[in-house]
Amino acid sequence: NAGVTQTPKFRVLKTGQSMTLLCAQDMNHEYMYWYRQDPGMGLRLIHYSVGEGTTAKGEVPDGYNVSRLKKQNFLLGLESAAPSQTSVYFCASSYGRGQGSHGEQFFGPGTRLTVL
Amino acid sequence: GDSVTQMEGPVTLSEEAFLTINCTYTATGYPSLFWYVQYPGEGLQLLLKATKADDKGSNKGFEATYRKETTSFHLEKGSVQVSDSAVYFCALSLYNTDKLIFGTGTRLQVFP
Repeated sequence: NAGVTQTPKFRVLKTGQSMTLLCAQDMNHEYMYWYRQDPGMGLRLIHYSVGEGTTAKGEVPDGYNVSRLKKQNFLLGLESAAPSQTSVYFCASSYGRGQGSHGEQFFGPGTRLTVL
Repeated sequence: GDSVTQMEGPVTLSEEAFLTINCTYTATGYPSLFWYVQYPGEGLQLLLKATKADDKGSNKGFEATYRKETTSFHLEKGSVQVSDSAVYFCALSLYNTDKLIFGTGTRLQVFP
């Protein structure tokens, strides 16, 4: 099993450009999440999904959109990138409480995004 | 609100030293507690977990005990190795949600 994979690994954008980050998981998890990691701030939840076709806002959703068209994929979009969105982005997935989970999440390797 | 507080780093130790990284939490209800580890350039990996009071999670020589009376979940290891150098995150998950709330992370540096 590959677990949680993310593409791309690195990306440099200019202000105003758009891009999509792809997350894929092969563990049949119901729940998926997008976080950003910034120095000294830990991980902050951007958006999450509790099942195919559903999405919800997290702690810092502004400037991002997401879609979960297939259970195994969760896409994060930046419509008009800003320097404040320079960060490392992590995707995670979990079974969800209804499947016996205690809340543990499984993380991908991250995407390092720089917006100039 | 619900939160996790970790000791600030970096924690610098010599190989074979004893490690403690403090973690305390504030939560309504009874959360599950986790320690995640992030090695340089990688994502977070679940290190250990505890789901109820007095549970002890353990893995790779690391241990942490869920202390409800002190709302703490301190991470310990008896003898650290250079390969343990990483950032350690304490986190909690509330029963009625699948969101994780993270501390800010503690960087551990182990020197030979």
